[in-house]
Amino acid sequence: GAVVSQHPSWVICKSGTSVKIECRSLDFQATTMFWYRQFPKQSLMLMATSNEGSKATYEQGVEKDKFLINHASLTLSTLTVTSAHPEDSSFYICSAILAATDTQYFGPGTRLTVL
Amino acid sequence: AQSVTQLDSQVPVFEEAPVELRCNYSSSVSVYLFWYVQYPNQGLQLLLKYLSGSTLVKGINGFEAEFNKSQTSLHLRKPSVHISDTAEYFCAVTYLGNQGGKLIFGQGTELSVKP
Repeated sequence: GAVVSQHPSWVICKSGTSVKIECRSLDFQATTMFWYRQFPKQSLMLMATSNEGSKATYEQGVEKDKFLINHASLTLSTLTVTSAHPEDSSFYICSAILAATDTQYFGPGTRLTVL
Repeated sequence: AQSVTQLDSQVPVFEEAPVELRCNYSSSVSVYLFWYVQYPNQGLQLLLKYLSGSTLVKGINGFEAEFNKSQTSLHLRKPSVHISDTAEYFCAVTYLGNQGGKLIFGQGTELSVKP
């Protein structure tokens, strides 16, 4: 139980295009999901908290107009990187909270490469 | 500011040897503590968590940890490591009563098991 999936697992796009990443909780409902960014050999940096049915809460320094988050249902949150640039290349990881145990379960990550 | 410190960035160890990965946190309030493992190009997998109760916590893959409130620590241990334990290990904390479940991560410890 408590499985979180992400799609796609990797994506390559041209500079200036937009990319959408999906995060799904497969066997539980999650009112809260999180989006993280991880650079090579570094820890996870929280980008935003995604709340079902309301606007996401962004961490300081994260551009909300560039990283659009939509939590449309209790099992799906999406992160759209708009007008992507090479510096947006990174590993993006989502997580979902299983409320019964107050524990975060992580997706497998999405590797984004912007050319 | 609240923080998590993993005292060792890299831990090399020989196969079948014991290992301890150290984690300290700063807090004056109650916390939940977690250890996650990350294999290359993958998301995070929960190893174990400390919520309350017994200070000795058993996790998956033969790992365990001991919570020490006075030293504000949750050190991760395994009595005999395998090559397959080579990975990045992250300690994380969430503070009860605030932040809506946000995790604060340590910098990570790279465990390298050699034959």
